Amino acid sequence: AQSVAQPEDQVNVAEGNPLTVKCTYSVSGNPYLFWYVQYPNRGLQFLLKYITGDNLVKGSYGFEAEFNKSQTSFHLKKPSALVSDSALYFCAVRERVGGKLIFGQGTELSVKP
Amino acid sequence: SQTIHQWPATLVQPVGSPLSLECTVEGTSNPNLYWYRQAAGRGLQLLFYSVGIGQISSEVPQNLSASRPQDRQFILSSKKLLLSDSGFYLCAWSVRTGWYEQYFGPGTRLTVT
Repeated sequence: AQSVAQPEDQVNVAEGNPLTVKCTYSVSGNPYLFWYVQYPNRGLQFLLKYITGDNLVKGSYGFEAEFNKSQTSFHLKKPSALVSDSALYFCAVRERVGGKLIFGQGTELSVKP
Repeated sequence: SQTIHQWPATLVQPVGSPLSLECTVEGTSNPNLYWYRQAAGRGLQLLFYSVGIGQISSEVPQNLSASRPQDRQFILSSKKLLLSDSGFYLCAWSVRTGWYEQYFGPGTRLTVT
């Protein structure tokens, strides 16, 4: 069965510092991986995806993610955090059969001035 | 461009009352449609998904039901609400093949009293 794990419930970062939000996955075959962001009382916004190709994927709002097949990870990164980046972040993997997305439990990112 | 609408934005209903939440998508045809529930601001639970008119798959047995009367309309219903039905309900769509990511609506906050 496919699954995704976000090992940190919360990540705290100072504004201007780099940020990393971790995600590991378990799938059979090649994974299709996604990152979403959710602001309070809002729907999820799509940030980026890895389907194939370069291991470093660039997305919206300056975010990027690095696909690492040997470590089965897909960590979300940003070189310089903004206070406005504070939100809930979800990692997801697409099921091979049926195409549904399996979401992690989310990581709360808090960026302090 | 594609947009997804949900209404109402917020809803307070007594236990035992019926429920109808509506989701519509504009700017695309033949989308896959999904209903999720998010409890306590965290994990997403897939409730239903649909690959076409009248085609509904249920992920979790419960007192909710879904219908897709038109290609771009997805409705979540209940005959009698339970306290445990409270949560944030999110509708999402994806293309039938290809891009794989899902796009979410703004959500409906349901409080059952």
